[in-house]
Amino acid sequence: GAVVSQHPSRVICKSGTSVKIECRSLDFQATTMFWYRQFPKQSLMLMATSNEGSKATYEQGVEKDKFLINHASLTLSTLTVTSAHPEDSSFYICSAREDTSYGYTFGSGTRLTVV
Amino acid sequence: AQTVTQSQPEMSVQEAETVTLSCTYDTSESDYYLFWYKQPPSRQMILVIRQEAYKQQNATENRFSVNFQKAAKSFSLKISDSQLGDAAMYFCAYHEGNTPLVFGKGTRLSVIA
Repeated sequence: GAVVSQHPSRVICKSGTSVKIECRSLDFQATTMFWYRQFPKQSLMLMATSNEGSKATYEQGVEKDKFLINHASLTLSTLTVTSAHPEDSSFYICSAREDTSYGYTFGSGTRLTVV
Repeated sequence: AQTVTQSQPEMSVQEAETVTLSCTYDTSESDYYLFWYKQPPSRQMILVIRQEAYKQQNATENRFSVNFQKAAKSFSLKISDSQLGDAAMYFCAYHEGNTPLVFGKGTRLSVIA
């Protein structure tokens, strides 16, 4: 089946630095990828929709200058958390869609801790 | 906007017994997809089962089956012969057209040995 690889799985960074998270579709082309944020014991909150070759669409309340999304190819989307602060600490998950009838494939997630 | 409601924050079931997780949704569309995802402690999202709205027959995947009531906008998940490995968060999700998945708040399932 479709596989989405997400790296890194865990990252600790200092406040004020930037962190890049990669999401790759390994055996299919993903024209659309989604980035979610999940706080402990809560559901997934959609942050943005990433379309290959165009600007990402951000959900209301998500700072596009803080969470930079790049989808430069059909197999790679990246999320960069710029000038990270402790409140950005969370679990970030990407998801890719190949064929809507088969649902969505999720990456394994990235646990970001900002100290 | 479409919404998905899971009214059971937590459920528990004895090993080998059957449990049903509830999900309702709100939409004005007639063509859409519904999903149940499992999120174990590893936090990897795993697709459990999916249902196309145009299909009247309820989806089944081994011990997992759904009761899809389109008119009532209800989509419950039944887990039969529950196993310890079924313990996880379960999310009901909705999708139509090119829109992203819309998730419910989840139900935490505990399996008691």
